Amino acid sequence: AQTVTQSQPEMSVQEAETVTLSCTYDTSESYYYLFWYKQPPSRQMILVIRQEAYKQQNATENRFSVNFQKAAKSFSLKISDSQLGDAAMYFCAYRSGHNTDKLIFGTGTRLQVFP
Amino acid sequence: DAMVIQNPRYQVTQFGKPVTLSCSQTLNHNVMYWYQQKSSQAPKLLFHYYDKDFNNEADTPDNFQSRRPNTSFCFLDIRSPGLGDAAMYLCATSARLAGLYNEQFFGPGTRLTVL
Repeated sequence: AQTVTQSQPEMSVQEAETVTLSCTYDTSESYYYLFWYKQPPSRQMILVIRQEAYKQQNATENRFSVNFQKAAKSFSLKISDSQLGDAAMYFCAYRSGHNTDKLIFGTGTRLQVFP
Repeated sequence: DAMVIQNPRYQVTQFGKPVTLSCSQTLNHNVMYWYQQKSSQAPKLLFHYYDKDFNNEADTPDNFQSRRPNTSFCFLDIRSPGLGDAAMYLCATSARLAGLYNEQFFGPGTRLTVL
């Protein structure tokens, strides 16, 4: 069975600085997707960034980028130029590429942003 | 704006008293999901509907059931809530087209308290 591990329950960053959130996963599959979701307090979870395992190039979405290390099964999220609105719970998630909708989430990292 | 709506946002029920949580969507997505998210834990998929086809996760307790009367609405029924069922319940939707699985869109969640 696949598992997702986020070893940092909480992180903090100063506004305008850069922070990296860690995620590791375990799978025997070669075809899968990885995601980072953001869940602000009392608001819905939204997709931040998505990576397809067969793509070697790291995904980037504006200030958000990932460092995908397939051999190490590592999928970290880098937030550049942090903003107060980035404060949220961040979840790493895995989805098999084989006929399934199921997302397997990590336990999350709470990010605080200080002015 | 197209969205996923959950009502109520906060629900209090008594031990053993049946409760129904509601989810509606204006995205016209054919897949609807229910997740349970306990405090400081990862969201866990309970079940999902692909159109009218119900797909239960193997470890979802029998106490949890779901109904999807039409494309727009999906309900989560907890027949006899226990203290351990207190959690945030997240509804999500996605568009599954020709075997392709697309991004899941989440609602804001319903926080269930069991007294």
